[in-house]
Amino acid sequence: NAGVMQNPRHLVRRRGQEARLRCSPMKGHSHVYWYRQLPEEGLKFMVYLQKENIIDESGMPKERFSAEFPKEGPSILRIQQVVRGDSAAYFCASSPVVQPTEAFFGQGTRLTVV
Amino acid sequence: QKEVEQNSGPLSVPEGAIASLNCTYSDRGSQSFFWYRQYSGKSPELIMFIYSNGDKEDGRFTAQLNKASQYVSLLIRDSQPSDSATYLCAGDMDSSYKLIFGSGTRLLVRP
Repeated sequence: NAGVMQNPRHLVRRRGQEARLRCSPMKGHSHVYWYRQLPEEGLKFMVYLQKENIIDESGMPKERFSAEFPKEGPSILRIQQVVRGDSAAYFCASSPVVQPTEAFFGQGTRLTVV
Repeated sequence: QKEVEQNSGPLSVPEGAIASLNCTYSDRGSQSFFWYRQYSGKSPELIMFIYSNGDKEDGRFTAQLNKASQYVSLLIRDSQPSDSATYLCAGDMDSSYKLIFGSGTRLLVRP
């Protein structure tokens, strides 16, 4: 059983471009959570999704950021018109039920905006 | 704003010693607390969780929770160089799915 898979592991974008981050949850997991980690800081909650539904996006900036978890395929975190301040590590976690003790994190995508 | 506070460290201890990591939180309504270990450039890994006042032991690790003082700690006995990592404290302050993380304490175990 593969773990939570995120790709790409590293992503470099120029200011103004779009960044698309993918997260494939563990088999049997229908709950996905995205967190952002700025350098030397803890993880900050962004969004919680179940299949085809956004449950809580309270931690996600209102502009430029969007997330989806379609019926088929990975969850996608999309950042439009990236700025330098978007440079961070983006972690995805998945769980079979809504329980932090059952959630596993992926290896993260490190986004660098140049 | 609900917060979890940790000393950034680094906390340096010799091999074999007890490492004590501390965390305070602002929300009295918090139910459960979690300790994650994160190696540089890697994903957070859950070590322990605690939701009752008192101590909880698992191998070399002991988590302690004091809800009256809003204080959580993690003790690592017989510290090993492989324990060198950043330790993140988190609480489920808003809901059962949203964790509020501290900024982490970097632990360095000297051989």
